[in-house]
Amino acid sequence: GENVEQHPSTLSVQEGDSAVIKCTYSDSASNYFPWYKQELGKGPQLIIDIRSNVGEKKDQRIAVTLNKTAKHFSLHITETQPEDSAVYFCAASRDTGFQKLVFGTGTRLLVSP
Amino acid sequence: ETGVTQTPRHLVMGMTNKKSLKCEQHLGHNAMYWYKQSAKKPLELMFVYSLEERVENNSVPSRFSPECPNSSHLFLHLHTLQPEDSALYLCASSQDVGKKTQYFGPGTRLLVL
Repeated sequence: GENVEQHPSTLSVQEGDSAVIKCTYSDSASNYFPWYKQELGKGPQLIIDIRSNVGEKKDQRIAVTLNKTAKHFSLHITETQPEDSAVYFCAASRDTGFQKLVFGTGTRLLVSP
Repeated sequence: ETGVTQTPRHLVMGMTNKKSLKCEQHLGHNAMYWYKQSAKKPLELMFVYSLEERVENNSVPSRFSPECPNSSHLFLHLHTLQPEDSALYLCASSQDVGKKTQYFGPGTRLLVL
């Protein structure tokens, strides 16, 4: 079955810096890769996702890149702000039928003012 | 808010108690999920319901009993739990099981004494 590894487990940056979180997956048939943000006391919220027919997707300060050959994908946050502080989870799945999302272990991002 | 609500938000129970967690989604979705979130571990999928029928049961102990009376409501009945069952229990929904975008509720923080 699918296995997703996520690094780093914690990441501290200064406000305005960029942050990068990386994930690798094992199932070469996986083709859907979402990223979730979980703030304290809340459930995970989808912030961006990418499918295997594209290599990069951007949404304002957030971007995700995908390398299917290497089986890894990354979340990039530019111009970080204190409100970006949260735990971020990557996940992978096949995008057909019922295939469960397999999550990484999460990255705690702390953005200091 | 995501359109998925959970009650109670916090629950403390003894190992001999019986309690229930409730989830309601206001999104018109057909699929609902229960996840267990423990520290330093990936989200663990417990159960999946599609149109009130259980389609996935990930080897969850029988002391956890799900119920889906309709496509908007999902319950998790708990009895004779163990301290290692203490965790955040998250409910999620998606348009259907083939649609991977899941919307999570805020979770129920469970402590088993």
